[in-house]
Amino acid sequence: AQKITQTQPGMFVQEKEAVTLDCTYDTSDPSYGLFWYKQPSSGEMIFLIYQGSYDQQNATEGRYSLNFQKARKSANLVISASQLGDSAMYFCAMREGFTGGGNKLTFGTGTQLKVEL
Amino acid sequence: NAGVTQTPKFQVLKTGQSMTLQCAQDMNHNSMYWYRQDPGMGLRLIYYSASEGTTDKGEVPNGYNVSRLNKREFSLRLESAAPSQTSVYFCASRSLAGGDEQYFGPGTRLTVT
Repeated sequence: AQKITQTQPGMFVQEKEAVTLDCTYDTSDPSYGLFWYKQPSSGEMIFLIYQGSYDQQNATEGRYSLNFQKARKSANLVISASQLGDSAMYFCAMREGFTGGGNKLTFGTGTQLKVEL
Repeated sequence: NAGVTQTPKFQVLKTGQSMTLQCAQDMNHNSMYWYRQDPGMGLRLIYYSASEGTTDKGEVPNGYNVSRLNKREFSLRLESAAPSQTSVYFCASRSLAGGDEQYFGPGTRLTVT
């Protein structure tokens, strides 16, 4: 079974609108972390936001927020007020187990977001 | 502060040739990682080093070896390259003392013909 599932291969959004990128995960470990990374066409991987499984509140970083629904095992990324520079591939990733040690990440297949005028 | 650097940026190999991908970080991070990215498959972990002096296999280690030369440097070696190893390779690092995120290098695009 896939540990991280991103079901939207491609998404379009108009500039200044909000967009939600879906991510569901599968783990039996009670301690885990969820991450979102952005990969623009230039190829680098840029960290956006992190949510720990024991965090009580949804993570936010500027225009990025993570809609964490533990019972549904979903960790959707919400980008508010989209900008043309948000056009990129977005990856959801998970760390299973406590932080420290190996901290290995498992990545989803990504969602290609295009922001239109 | 360069972060995570990788060399080379691009490489073309013939089947059976060997090469080493170099990675270095200047953030005093303990853990380092090698991933490969193939179209439609996201990033997959090849090997990692949780701390200086240790290395462990990831999801797709076959055909690769690694060396954690010191705290800064973590190299990935292809002993006998195969076309299936055509990919983009990313190195990453993470500090145990810091947050949970990994910091990635710019990637190496490798083509094996």
